[in-house]
Amino acid sequence: GAGVSQTPSNKVTEKGKYVELRCDPISGHTALYWYRQSLGQGPEFLIYFQGTGAADDSGLPNDRFFAVRPEGSVSTLKIQRTERGDSAVYLCASSFGREETQYFGPGTRLLVL
Amino acid sequence: EDQVTQSPEALRLQEGESSSLNCSYTVSGLRGLFWYRQDPGKGPEFLFTLYSAGEEKEKERLKATLTKKESFLHITAPKPEDSATYLCGGRGTGRRALTFGSGTRLQVQP
Repeated sequence: GAGVSQTPSNKVTEKGKYVELRCDPISGHTALYWYRQSLGQGPEFLIYFQGTGAADDSGLPNDRFFAVRPEGSVSTLKIQRTERGDSAVYLCASSFGREETQYFGPGTRLLVL
Repeated sequence: EDQVTQSPEALRLQEGESSSLNCSYTVSGLRGLFWYRQDPGKGPEFLFTLYSAGEEKEKERLKATLTKKESFLHITAPKPEDSATYLCGGRGTGRRALTFGSGTRLQVQP
């Protein structure tokens, strides 16, 4: 079956612009996670959804970052007033019910000029 | 605060030269230690989950082990296709998020 998909695969924007990153989880997976990975580092947790609600958003760095999952499937990560420090790979993962294993998508590479 | 540290940062092996990667963790009430493989430009690919000290899991040339403070990923007779970054992450009590280390970049030369 299809894995986690993310669009776009690459996004270049200018400082101060707004961006949206999309994640399509594995069909039937109820849990969805966003992570951010900087060059040479491991993924860093941002937010976790169980169904439609954000169950843990403790990793969001500031109020410029926001994520939604209105129908409990697709999720969108939104970044306002982008800064050069936001440049990173944004990874999405999903898991089924209480199953622990998180399956990752290919990521969106965001470059803020 | 949960913390995961991986060593070495980079490792270069000759094909067939076995070695081990280390993952030291301080995770409150560990509820799983996860190993992933990540190829350049791709997302992490799941390898193993370990839950309790003494547990071992194997897959082809890889074997993961767990103690109360560390996990090891043993690579036996590696091949060039094993070249990748290996990530470990811990999940603590009451959390679903994983805390990852910075990874070990493994290069296996033919």
